Amino acid sequence: NAGVTQTPKFRILKIGQSMTLQCTQDMNHNYMYWYRQDPGMGLKLIYYSVGAGITDKGEVPNGYNVSRSTTEDFPLRLELAAPSQTSVYFCASSGTKGAGNTIYFGEGSWLTVV
Amino acid sequence: KQEVTQIPAALSVPEGENLVLNCSFTDSAIYNLQWFRQDPGKGLTSLLLIQSSQREQTSGRLNASLDKSSGRSTLYIAASQPGDSATYLCAVRGGGSQGNLIFGKGTKLSVKP
Repeated sequence: NAGVTQTPKFRILKIGQSMTLQCTQDMNHNYMYWYRQDPGMGLKLIYYSVGAGITDKGEVPNGYNVSRSTTEDFPLRLELAAPSQTSVYFCASSGTKGAGNTIYFGEGSWLTVV
Repeated sequence: KQEVTQIPAALSVPEGENLVLNCSFTDSAIYNLQWFRQDPGKGLTSLLLIQSSQREQTSGRLNASLDKSSGRSTLYIAASQPGDSATYLCAVRGGGSQGNLIFGKGTKLSVKP
């Protein structure tokens, strides 16, 4: 009963380093999303995907890249980490956009850039 | 552009009180609206989902209503308990190709024993 799995849960990066946040879902969902949450704020969309091979930018894509080579995996790449990327990152997935369909979230990845 | 606003930003109540959290959104073209709970340092827990054609949903002591035409939703918590202390997030799932959730900033609730 895995659902949406994110790794790592915690990470400290130095300025200028790069890393990849992994996200896997086992529900055969087409829609996948990456959000970031800053203190006292709601979640903001970084990138999304509507299926394997298809990705697009959300509200705050600068400094990030994604790929979607399989239905299950949607990794988020941080290039040249900056202190402004210190945040909590959530991966999410959904089967369709239908009214009755919820979006399932991973448990989050806490990233600090120093 | 869809915007979601939650009022109040913070709320402190004594245990046992009934309370209402408010959420408003600017574009009524939504698929659904969800309420989430978030404990400090934790992820999101989905509480209730209201489809665009529905008026309300109930789960235990929680009742969420939706008035799509006026762009408003409320989350009613009956007989509040200290364990209800958390941040409550409202999110709408809009139209368009993204189909993503657009979140408010949340209401931080503190229930005092």
